[in-house]
Amino acid sequence: KNEVEQSPQNLTAQEGEFITINCSYSVGISALHWLQQHPGGGIVSLFMLSSGKKKHGRLIATINIQEKHSSLHITASHPRDSAVYICPLHPPKGGATNKLIFGTGTLLAVQP
Amino acid sequence: DAMVIQNPRYQVTQFGKPVTLSCSQTLNHNVMYWYQQKSSQAPKLLFHYYDKDFNNEADTPDNFQSRRPNTSFCFLDIRSPGLGDAAMYLCATSLIEETQYFGPGTRLLVL
Repeated sequence: KNEVEQSPQNLTAQEGEFITINCSYSVGISALHWLQQHPGGGIVSLFMLSSGKKKHGRLIATINIQEKHSSLHITASHPRDSAVYICPLHPPKGGATNKLIFGTGTLLAVQP
Repeated sequence: DAMVIQNPRYQVTQFGKPVTLSCSQTLNHNVMYWYQQKSSQAPKLLFHYYDKDFNNEADTPDNFQSRRPNTSFCFLDIRSPGLGDAAMYLCATSLIEETQYFGPGTRLLVL
């Protein structure tokens, strides 16, 4: 079993729809990232969460440490939101490594 | 704005011809990372520097080397690129045990 699982793996939405991407993990963490990567492009850091909820524009990220689950919500989706969304995990502080644990990502396509 | 900058954004090289990719940062972070990302795969950590201390991942090929002449700059040298080294190369920086900030990446094409 992978240490981090994202669902769905592929998502197609219509412009304007509310979108949720889920991230579940099975290991202890100090924080969780949400990253966005456009096709052929570099990575943009959206959020880093260790608890609660963060909001930036149309994006909202939540995390439940007890349930080992995080969600990324996109309100009023737009075709420019089409990208791969990745939720790498930060290992616990003071551990042997600061190496991020990556999942396979969610490919989002927002159609006009 | 403080940021992580990678140059060039696109690099074309010939099979076996050495190539250097560049990363600079204005965040004054003490850790810098190099990742390799192949198509439809997650980024794979190649190595990282904690200040001047170099940390190589066990499965990083010897063909890949890195230099960090100062806090702001870090270079990825590929001594003899093969076709399999064509990928997106991502640089990231962080304070120790803090969030990593990624650069835009350099896409390497090997002919």
